[in-house]
Amino acid sequence: RKEVEQDPGPFNVPEGATVAFNCTYSNSASQSFFWYRQDCRKEPKLLMSVYSSGNEDGRFTAQLNRASQYISLLIRDSKLSDSATYLCVVNRGGYGNKLVFGAGTILRVKS
Amino acid sequence: GAVVSQHPSRVICKSGTSVKIECRSLDFQATTMFWYRQFPKQSLMLMATSNEGSKATYEQGVEKDKFLINHASLTLSTLTVTSAHPEDSSFYICSARDPASGSYEQFFGPGTRLTVL
Repeated sequence: RKEVEQDPGPFNVPEGATVAFNCTYSNSASQSFFWYRQDCRKEPKLLMSVYSSGNEDGRFTAQLNRASQYISLLIRDSKLSDSATYLCVVNRGGYGNKLVFGAGTILRVKS
Repeated sequence: GAVVSQHPSRVICKSGTSVKIECRSLDFQATTMFWYRQFPKQSLMLMATSNEGSKATYEQGVEKDKFLINHASLTLSTLTVTSAHPEDSSFYICSARDPASGSYEQFFGPGTRLTVL
């Protein structure tokens, strides 16, 4: 079983749609959690950190459930420019604070 | 946010040659940098953790004699792919954390696309 698992998609949605991505992680000692966005042939860029209390940044809402070891990302009012691969990322903690990446979920927003 | 650069952005080489990739933190000092590899349609896989002034820590399955890492200063880490073969063709990305920020966020370089013929 992979340490971080995501539905690979692709999710094909029309502009304006609301879309939700899920992620589960297996290491209960994981300390911090992130969603990154990666465009084709580019480096990943931090979209947002994820907190237990839930957090929102504009059209993006992230949730963390430590008991279920589950992370989610909700995108409202999808834009064409949201098309990308969304990576669920977990910080294992410990020496070096290593990040473990999920395989990513592909989102395609169409007009 | 902090800026990390990588050089070169793209390299094409013949099988058997060695390729050096540089990763620099431009506006902060990074005692630790990370090297990742990403094959097409796959996620980033951590190869090694580069520590300034000491030996790198390699992930299981990554050959340290094949992928030489040198972190000689607080702003520069290099990855050398020795005797590269076509199966080493991949997207290599470095990242660094700014310890002064107090956050776990890692800042990624733009990546180096290696093609071995």
